[in-house]
Amino acid sequence: SQQGEEDPQALSIQEGENATMNCSYKTSINNLQWYRQNSGRGLVHLILIRSNEREKHSGRLRVTLDTSKKSSSLLITASRAADTASYFCATYGDKIIFGKGTRLHILP
Amino acid sequence: GAVVSQHPSRVICKSGTSVKIECRSLDFQATTMFWYRQFPKKSLMLMATSNEGSKATYEQGVEKDKFLINHASLTLSTLTVTSAHPEDSSFYICSARVRGGTGELFFGEGSRLTVL
Repeated sequence: SQQGEEDPQALSIQEGENATMNCSYKTSINNLQWYRQNSGRGLVHLILIRSNEREKHSGRLRVTLDTSKKSSSLLITASRAADTASYFCATYGDKIIFGKGTRLHILP
Repeated sequence: GAVVSQHPSRVICKSGTSVKIECRSLDFQATTMFWYRQFPKKSLMLMATSNEGSKATYEQGVEKDKFLINHASLTLSTLTVTSAHPEDSSFYICSARVRGGTGELFFGEGSRLTVL
C-alpha cells in the first residue's frame, strides 16, 4: 500500500508564483525524499530531509518535515514553466514507498 | 550524480512472448535495485527489491513467476515479463541505491511496454 499521500493531486499556478505541495505518511521514517517526474520519464531526486531535520533548502526549493504530524511540504518559489511536472514524496523506512504525486502545471 | 541506464525505453510485443528489461548502474555499485510499475497519471508501485547475489523480494500481489528479476552483478538487474498479456502493458521503472549512500534513489528513464 502507498505510504505517502500528496496534496493537492493537481495544482495550476501562474508563472512566478510559489507552489506548495504537501505529503502525509503513516509510519516512522529514516528520511523523506522529494522527486520530480516529467511526463513519460524517470524520476529525478530533488531533496532529502532526515527525520531529525525540520527544514531544508536547495535553490528555489524549501522542504519542511513535521514528524509529529507525519507530514512534509515542498515549496517551489518563483515558479517557472519548466517546473511543470509531477512531484512525489517518498518515505524511506525499510523500503522506499512513493506517494500518489502532485501534478503541477505552471501557466505562462 | 549517479547514472542509471534502463533499456529498452520502448518495447512492443505480442501476447504470450517474454520481454526483458535491463537496468544498469553506470558509475556506481548498486547492491540494491528496485523495480516499479507506473500506470498513467498514477504513482509508482513497488514491485520488488532486487539484491545482488540473492533472490528478489517481491511485494504482495506481484507474481514472482510472472515478473522474473535477476540481479547478477553489482551493476545490472533485469526484469523479465514472462508470457506477457495486454494487462501487463505499463511503464516500468528501475532505480538503484548507492552502496553506503544516504538512501537517495537514482532512476532509469523507464521502459514503456505495450503488449498487443
